[in-house]
Amino acid sequence: SQQGEEDPQALSIQEGENATMNCSYKTSINNLQWYRQNSGRGLVHLILIRSNEREKHSGRLRVTLDTSKKSSSLLITASRAADTASYFCATDYLETGGFKTIFGAGTRLFVKA
Amino acid sequence: NAGVTQTPKFRVLKTGQSMTLLCAQDMNHEYMYWYRQDPGMGLRLIHYSVGEGTTAKGEVPDGYNVSRLKKQNFLLGLESAAPSQTSVYFCASSYSMGLNYEQYFGPGTRLTVT
Repeated sequence: SQQGEEDPQALSIQEGENATMNCSYKTSINNLQWYRQNSGRGLVHLILIRSNEREKHSGRLRVTLDTSKKSSSLLITASRAADTASYFCATDYLETGGFKTIFGAGTRLFVKA
Repeated sequence: NAGVTQTPKFRVLKTGQSMTLLCAQDMNHEYMYWYRQDPGMGLRLIHYSVGEGTTAKGEVPDGYNVSRLKKQNFLLGLESAAPSQTSVYFCASSYSMGLNYEQYFGPGTRLTVT
């Protein structure tokens, strides 16, 4: 099964509200990344949080990491219609042969104007 | 910088036909990747390369071959296309692997196999 799994699968909110997406994973990781994908486009990197970090901010984005629960959350504050996209977590971990990156199935966020 | 580019953007193949997808990056990245994305699923790694002349299998390599003859290019080949290979294919590159890197993605190639 996939290393990273996002929850919820889909989220619909009003503009101005906060959006929270969660990611759970199974094995120990080196870092965790969040990506965004607009419809029909490639993924764009948002933020990386290392395994020894607990929280990270970037503009309206706030990412937390709880390694004891093997979970991360992405909070988008004061959402805008332009935030409508799919959001993916990707976990980076070390295994025999080198580092691996596993992407989750994503959360589809729809922000209504 | 163009970043990561992919050609073609769209393609329709008949079962059994072959084709090559081209990925190019101008960021001097060592690492390059090919993923496929299917509805309701995340990206799945097909093959990757850690440098010119080297390739390795990812999670779903069967039915695909790759080559990295030049550092800036990473080719994905389908020798005999099957309907199960209908998908959106993304190429990505990164400076390195490990603690502090991000992947840069191309715009994708939408492939339909009939």
